[in-house]
Amino acid sequence: DIQMSQSPSSLSASVGDRVTLTCRASQSISKYLNWYQQKPGQTPKLLIYAASSLQSGAPTRFSGSGSGTDFTLTITSLQPEDFGTYFCQQSYSTLRTFGQGTKVEI
Amino acid sequence: QVQLVQSGGEVKKPGASVKVSCTTSGYTFIRNGISWVRQAPGQGLEWMGWIGAYNVNTNYARKFKGRVTMTTDASSSTAYMELRSLTFDDTAVYYCARDSGDYHSGMDVWGQGTTVTVSS
Repeated sequence: DIQMSQSPSSLSASVGDRVTLTCRASQSISKYLNWYQQKPGQTPKLLIYAASSLQSGAPTRFSGSGSGTDFTLTITSLQPEDFGTYFCQQSYSTLRTFGQGTKVEI
Repeated sequence: QVQLVQSGGEVKKPGASVKVSCTTSGYTFIRNGISWVRQAPGQGLEWMGWIGAYNVNTNYARKFKGRVTMTTDASSSTAYMELRSLTFDDTAVYYCARDSGDYHSGMDVWGQGTTVTVSS
């Protein structure tokens, strides 16, 4: 199975900060990497698909990049509502896998 | 709008089985696959498997293979996930989620979650 590793596991940042989250795959997954945001008590929300495409309705301050094994999610100007846990997920393999998550605290 | 509505919470004893339903609306059911994802208390997301609503192909995570069965009923636009031989470690919130496009796409709409508690 493809293993997904996220770093850092948690971070604390201030409103207005530029924040970068990293996701690494154990083998090449081409561009098939998705990012989700989950707030406490809520269902996950798709933010980015295919590594860099912004999901309809997601704020434009979110962007994704990368291909192969290394990917990043960037929040250009952190907002108070961006707190939560961010998960990456590969959809390259028939057996999909999630990273362990990065918790973002404001 | 697209909605996935899951069945209510369940309490089961170790060794029992649970079957969770996911009733969809607002789109053509057979056009999108459905994944099942679970989340144990305080833990991350765990992908359990996928079913193609159009061809009923399934892909199961190795961890659950032999213990999980995913099915669909196109006549009612409903997907089901049955998990057998429950242990305390299966206590979690179980989600269904729709593929936004083909198999390589992300999961764009999620059910509200079904809490399954395994307790003696």
